[in-house]
Amino acid sequence: ILNVEQSPQSLHVQEGDSTNFTCSFPSSNFYALHWYRWETAKSPEALFVMTLNGDEKKKGRISATLNTKEGYSYLYIKGSQPEDSATYLCAINTDKLIFGTGTRLQVFP
Amino acid sequence: DVKVTQSSRYLVKRTGEKVFLECVQDMDHENMFWYRQDPGLGLRLIYFSYDVKMKEKGDIPEGYSVSREKKERFSLILESASTNQTSMYLCASSPGTSGEQFFGPGTRLTVL
Repeated sequence: ILNVEQSPQSLHVQEGDSTNFTCSFPSSNFYALHWYRWETAKSPEALFVMTLNGDEKKKGRISATLNTKEGYSYLYIKGSQPEDSATYLCAINTDKLIFGTGTRLQVFP
Repeated sequence: DVKVTQSSRYLVKRTGEKVFLECVQDMDHENMFWYRQDPGLGLRLIYFSYDVKMKEKGDIPEGYSVSREKKERFSLILESASTNQTSMYLCASSPGTSGEQFFGPGTRLTVL
């Protein structure tokens, strides 16, 4: 079973700080890499689906990159806001989604 | 707007009870999934279904069964609940086997 790792496990930042976290995977043998945001008491929602080495995606202040050769994806948040507080999950898509354990981000005003 | 709903947000049951967790999606998706999420662990796949009346075991099917009688509904059944099944349960659906999944809000089940 492929193991997807995320780091750090949790992160506390001040409003306005920029932050990033990592998703690592041992193999590039998958269809896509997904990033989800999971806010407390809500459904996980998809942020990005990335398929190609070198892919970069952006949505507002959040962006992500994918490096399949070295086995990682980064998620960046520029100028963090309290509403960015959530758990960020990555998953690789083989014949099913294999999830990492998530990074829990808390942004303090 | 795509929607996956789960029958309960919070549920408390006793050891040995039979428990039904219901999931309904309104997107006409073929594929539906049940996961559980525990602290320090990623979402783990319990069962999934690619079509009506069809089911496949995921990574941790022991102690669970599922039912899919209609395309929009996928039920997770705990035949005899145990304390180690206390967890957050998430249902998801997707239009294809290799694409984005749409999640429900989760059911936090406590087994006493």
